[in-house]
Amino acid sequence: AQSVSQHNHHVILSEAASLELGCNYSYGGTVNLFWYVQYPGQHLQLLLKYFSEDPLVKGIKGFEAEFIKSKFSFNLRKPSVQWSDTAEYFCAVSGYNKLIFGAGTRLAVHP
Amino acid sequence: SAVISQKPSRDICQRGTSLTIQCQVDSQVTMMFWYRQQPGQSLTLIATANQGSEATYESGFVIDKFPISRPNLTFSTLTVSNMSPEDSSIYLCSVASGVAGYEQYFGPGTRLTVT
Repeated sequence: AQSVSQHNHHVILSEAASLELGCNYSYGGTVNLFWYVQYPGQHLQLLLKYFSEDPLVKGIKGFEAEFIKSKFSFNLRKPSVQWSDTAEYFCAVSGYNKLIFGAGTRLAVHP
Repeated sequence: SAVISQKPSRDICQRGTSLTIQCQVDSQVTMMFWYRQQPGQSLTLIATANQGSEATYESGFVIDKFPISRPNLTFSTLTVSNMSPEDSSIYLCSVASGVAGYEQYFGPGTRLTVT
């Protein structure tokens, strides 16, 4: 069965710190992978997506993610976070025309 | 990406009653989805709604509890029937987009509280 595991449920960082959020998936077929972000009081937005091209994917707001097939991972990174990155981040895998979401990681960035 | 609106944005309902949530998209889409996000938890797919066919429900969700309509390519409704406090959640609709149809874009959600 498909599943997505996000290792960190809560992350607290200071501004300018580097960010890496872990995501591992379990799926037997060709994978399409996504990171979504939900800012406080706002709806879910697509941050970036992997569709079997370059394993290093660049998204909006300086985020990137690297697909490592051998590790079944799709970790999200940002070299320097800002207070405005405070949000909840969801990793998702697509298969059989549906999305399976991870549990989410709440990121709090302190000024 | 599609622009998706939902009505109502929030509601407080009494147990035993039903609430119908509307989802409107600004363009025609084949696949629409309904999710539930319980407090502090991730999103769980309730069902997939394709125009012209019956909705496909995920394990743990049944049509009698969550009837869905999909009358055209821009609109869908989800009804939460015979509500209990355990139904208190955010309900979101999404649409599939992109080349392969796997990208999904989400509406703002409907925050439901059942007392």
